[in-house]
Parts: sequence; C-alpha cells; structure tokens
Amino acid sequence: QKEVEQDPGPLSVPEGAIVSLNCTYSNSAFQYFMWYRQYSRKGPELLMYTYSSGNKEDGRFTAQVDKSSKYISLFIRDSQPSDSATYLCAMTGNTGGFKTIFGAGTRLFVKA
Amino acid sequence: GAVVSQHPSRVICKSGTSVKIECRSLDFQATTMFWYRQFPKQSLMLMATSNEGSKATYEQGVEKDKFLINHASLTLSTLTVTSAHPEDSSFYICSARLDTYGYTFGSGTRLTVV
Repeated sequence: QKEVEQDPGPLSVPEGAIVSLNCTYSNSAFQYFMWYRQYSRKGPELLMYTYSSGNKEDGRFTAQVDKSSKYISLFIRDSQPSDSATYLCAMTGNTGGFKTIFGAGTRLFVKA
Repeated sequence: GAVVSQHPSRVICKSGTSVKIECRSLDFQATTMFWYRQFPKQSLMLMATSNEGSKATYEQGVEKDKFLINHASLTLSTLTVTSAHPEDSSFYICSARLDTYGYTFGSGTRLTVV
C-alpha cells in the first residue's frame, strides 16, 4: 500500500463548478498537509498547508484534514479555466526526518 | 518570496553524454536542496537530498555514480546526469525547504536523451 493515495484523474468540470480533490494516507505520524499546484512543464507551487486536523480557507480554496479518517481534501469554489492544472497533495511529520511524501497528483480540467 | 531558479528548462542530448542541471536560490540561502524526478502522470520521486558542503544522501535505488550532485555553496546545487541513456529521459525538479511544511520548487528541466 502506498503511503499516500491520490486519484490521478483526469477530472473535467465546467467553469463555475465546485471541485473536490482528495487524498488518503496510511501513516498516522503525518502532521503537516500541503497542496501544490503544477502547471504543465512547470515545477509545483505551494497552494495551501494545514497542521493537524481542521479546515483552512484562502479565497476560493479550502483545505480540510480529517486525521481520524486519514483523509484530506481541497475544495475549489467557482472554478476557472486558469485552475486547470495538476494538484498534488503532500504530507510530512516526524517520520524519518520529516521526509515529505507526495501524492501522484490529480489532473484537473476546467472547461469554459 | 523565496525563488529557486533552475536551468536549463529543456535539454536534448545524445546517448552517452553528460548533462548538468543547475538550481540556484535567488534571495535566500538553501543549506539543503532536494532533487526529484517525475515521469508523466506520476508523482515526484525524491532522488537525493543535497547538503551544502557535504555529500548528498541518495534514496534507495538511485545510482550515485550516475546522478552526481554537488552543493558547493549555499545558493547553488547541481545535478549531473552522466552517460545519459534514453531511459533517463524525464522531468527533473529541484526544491529547497523553507520551513517545516513549505518547499519552493524550481521550474523543472525536461531532459530528452536521443
């Protein structure tokens, strides 16, 4: 079993839709949870991060962490064509020197 | 904000030659840099951790003699793919850790070996 599971998609939605992206994980030592956005042929850029459980909102983006279920989510409201990218979840914790594990990434297409 | 500049963005080389990829931290000092490899539709795979002034730490299965890493200063880390083969064709990305949960990534290098 992979430490972090993420559906690679692709996920195609119409403009204005609410998008839900998810990851599950197996290591209960993970404490920090991040979401990165990667445009084609570019390096990833950090979108949001959360510590432990709970929600965090930043504009149209909301990150949720449910440690009891080992499940994290990223919601995008009022999705735009410019949101089309690959979204990678990542997590780290006191596991072998805070090594960060990335999900495979979900490819999102927002159609105008 | 903290920026990592990675060059070249794209390189095509002949099989058997060596290619050097550079990553520079532009407005901060990076004592540690990370090198990743990414195949199409797959996640980032950590290859090695580069520490300024010391030997790099390689992940299991990564050939040290093939992927040479040098981190001679606090602002520059290089990855050299030696005797490149077509199976080395991939997207290589460097990153530097900013804090516990934040990394800043380079823009990546698309290597094609023909």
